[in-house]
Amino acid sequence: QKEVEQDPGPLSVPEGAIVSLNCTYSNSAFQYFMWYRQYSRKGPELLMYTYSSGNKEDGRFTAQVDKSSKYISLFIRDSQPSDSATYLCAMKAPGGGNKLTFGTGTQLKVEL
Amino acid sequence: EAQVTQNPRYLITVTGKKLTVTCSQNMNHEYMSWYRQDPGLGLRQIYYSMNVEVTDKGDVPEGYKVSRKEKRNFPLILESPSPNQTSLYFCASSLNYGEQPQHFGDGTRLSIL
Repeated sequence: QKEVEQDPGPLSVPEGAIVSLNCTYSNSAFQYFMWYRQYSRKGPELLMYTYSSGNKEDGRFTAQVDKSSKYISLFIRDSQPSDSATYLCAMKAPGGGNKLTFGTGTQLKVEL
Repeated sequence: EAQVTQNPRYLITVTGKKLTVTCSQNMNHEYMSWYRQDPGLGLRQIYYSMNVEVTDKGDVPEGYKVSRKEKRNFPLILESPSPNQTSLYFCASSLNYGEQPQHFGDGTRLSIL
């Protein structure tokens, strides 16, 4: 079983929809949670970074962490065609340096 | 512009022919690392470097070598490439060991025939 599970999609939504992307994990030592966005033929770029449980909002993006359920989510409000990309969750444990454990990514397409 | 630059972006080669993928960053970052990305497996770390002359294995180091002689450069060497090393490779850097974010290059797609 993988440490981090992520539905690969593809997920196709109409413009303006609310998108929910999710990851589950098995390692209870994970304390830092990230979402990366990866456009086609590009490297991942950090979108959201949260520590422990709770919510974090940045513009149209909200990251949610539920450590009791070992479940993290990324919500995108008012989705735009420019949000079409693959979204990767990543996690790390304290003292783990820069060792990130990545999900396999969810491919999102926002249609006009 | 702050960036991580990888070369080449695409390479098709044959089994056993040594190759080097270069990575250079212009942000004076101490930490650099290499990942490979495969369908269904996600990004997996190959090697990392905390500073000049300091390197260590990641999760999938077999068949790869690295060196860090200068702060800005971190080349990935495949001494005897094999078809199972066909993958999309990313170099990343961050200010220090343990710091986020990691800045990724745009990737190198390697095909080993």
